[in-house]
Amino acid sequence: SQTIHQWPATLVQPVGSPLSLECTVEGTSNPNLYWYRQAAGRGLQLLFYSVGIGQISSEVPQNLSASRPQDRQFILSSKKLLLSDSGFYLCAWRRWGDFQETQYFGPGTRLLVL
Amino acid sequence: QKEVEQNSGPLSVPEGAIASLNCTYSDRGSQSFFWYRQYSGKSPELIMFIYSNGDKEDGRFTAQLNKASQYVSLLIRDSQPSDSATYLCAVLNAGNNRKLIWGLGTSLAVNP
Repeated sequence: SQTIHQWPATLVQPVGSPLSLECTVEGTSNPNLYWYRQAAGRGLQLLFYSVGIGQISSEVPQNLSASRPQDRQFILSSKKLLLSDSGFYLCAWRRWGDFQETQYFGPGTRLLVL
Repeated sequence: QKEVEQNSGPLSVPEGAIASLNCTYSDRGSQSFFWYRQYSGKSPELIMFIYSNGDKEDGRFTAQLNKASQYVSLLIRDSQPSDSATYLCAVLNAGNNRKLIWGLGTSLAVNP
């Protein structure tokens, strides 16, 4: 069976500090991977998605970046955090070739920027 | 702009009743439709997906799709307090840009 991991689970960071969130998927190959942000009282915002190693598509201009160094690893980064970066960061995966595009979410990372 | 709309709620139902959650979408070419449940502080979990007109049942859950009216709903029979959560509707948009478009969710409270 497939499992998706995210860490850390929670993070409190000062404004201007760097960020690195990691997501890994087990039990599948060549998944599509997604980073979402869910701010308090707001919907899911797609930040990045990746169809393969080194292939990243950005959905929203911002101070965040993503990388996919390995098939089942997806990393979200920032060089300098803003207050507005606070939120619940969710990684999701989709099985390659899944016509229905069903996405499955990891447990999430709650980020508070102070 | 392609949109998915849900009543934010809260929708309050007594235990044992049927909860009806609704979602409308703007892209007539949308292909697949998903319902996710999100407990407070947790990540969304898939409940059901549907892609054909009509009803799809899974246990106490029934998804209903009407493409002509651009409407998808989720019925929860015999509602339990453990069903209290936010329910997110997501729609797969048509075309090459195959991404999920998300609603803001409906908050459901099942009262014992």
